Amino acid sequence: AQRVTQPEKLLSVFKGAPVELKCNYSYSGSPELFWYVQYSRQRLQLLLRHISRESIKGFTADLNKGETSFHLKKPFAQEEDSAMYYCALSATGANSKLTFGKGITLSVRP
Amino acid sequence: DTGVSQNPRHKITKRGQNVTFRCDPISEHNRLYWYRQTLGQGPEFLTYFQNEAQLEKSRLLSDRFSAERPKGSFSTLEIQRTEQGDSAMYLCASSKHSGGAYEQYFGPGTRLTVT
Repeated sequence: AQRVTQPEKLLSVFKGAPVELKCNYSYSGSPELFWYVQYSRQRLQLLLRHISRESIKGFTADLNKGETSFHLKKPFAQEEDSAMYYCALSATGANSKLTFGKGITLSVRP
Repeated sequence: DTGVSQNPRHKITKRGQNVTFRCDPISEHNRLYWYRQTLGQGPEFLTYFQNEAQLEKSRLLSDRFSAERPKGSFSTLEIQRTEQGDSAMYLCASSKHSGGAYEQYFGPGTRLTVT
């Protein structure tokens, strides 16, 4: 069974502070991991995926298979980063449904 | 707007009534997904199509739920004999193969309230 755990519901930081949003997963195969973001009154959108190994809007995430984690990090938070963030998992191959965590609200204060 | 569109955006219905939602995917995308999201939860997978074929259905999708994608383009999700527990945001997403995985693009959702 696939499971994604985001242990915190809310993270509140000041502008310029580092951010780490935690994500742990459970899956017996080799998963694809994603971070999705939902800004206020906007639709869910892909932020980044582990196989592309990109930095998007200053965010990075490294897949740690030993710890089964895919934490999202940003060294200096900006107010516009305030949003809901969801970690998601997809099995590789033909089955591409996403299993989401419960999400975390990031609030960046001025 | 060339993104995924969903109609209606909001639906209020009385318990026991049937409702139908529509999703129009991005035109070149061959996969279409339905998810449901309740308050405080992430989206939960319901079903998905590749072209017109329905390839997987979640156990969440009871007999009262049916989804179709008749010509491999738009899709409909029907809920019969609605219950208060069906109140949720229903999300549609579409994708095409990209770099070894299917990147999914989401619609704005249809919020269903069952009174």
